[in-house]
Amino acid sequence: DAGVIQSPRHEVTEMGQEVTLRCKPISGHDYLFWYRQTMMRGLELLIYFNNNVPIDDSGMPEDRFSAKMPNASFSTLKIQPSEPRDSAVYFCASTTGGFGEKLFFGSGTQLSVL
Amino acid sequence: QKEVEQNSGPLSVPEGAIASLNCTYSDRVSQSFFWYRQYSGKSPELIMSIYSNGDKEDGRFTAQLNKASQYVSLLIRDSQPSDSATYLCAGNKAAGNKLTFGGGTRVLVKP
Repeated sequence: DAGVIQSPRHEVTEMGQEVTLRCKPISGHDYLFWYRQTMMRGLELLIYFNNNVPIDDSGMPEDRFSAKMPNASFSTLKIQPSEPRDSAVYFCASTTGGFGEKLFFGSGTQLSVL
Repeated sequence: QKEVEQNSGPLSVPEGAIASLNCTYSDRVSQSFFWYRQYSGKSPELIMSIYSNGDKEDGRFTAQLNKASQYVSLLIRDSQPSDSATYLCAGNKAAGNKLTFGGGTRVLVKP
């Protein structure tokens, strides 16, 4: 299996632009997570899905952030409009479900908003 | 109190020594605990999980959980330069699958 696939690996954009991050989870995994990592705040959970349904989006910082999972093999995280404080590494992770299961992380997207 | 807290380090240990990492947690994350290792510029990867009080050993790694005192620790025996990384402690609530991470402890193993 190729693992969790994220794209792009790096994104540089200007403030106010729309940014879309993409994730393909491991086939058969029914949970998908979006995390954001910064030096100041560490690894923060933004939102997670179970069977394509958003379960907890309490970590989404504000309305500028939105996430979708139209099917079991694809999810997007969108930021519109982007701001410099959104600069971070965004990780997608998936797992087979149930609490206590190992999370498999993608390689992350390094986002820089100028 | 943060849900999961760690000393940011760096924790510097000589090669061959034991590295001891600690993590404390709040009641909000109290069911399952995990240690992830993250190399610089890479994604986290799971190295240990522990669910019940006591010790759990896996190779050179030992995880220890004390629910009464609300701490979990990780021991790395015979530390190698390749163990130099940031170690993230994570806790899970009893219901659902929301994993909360600590800020991580950076470990430097010096040859």
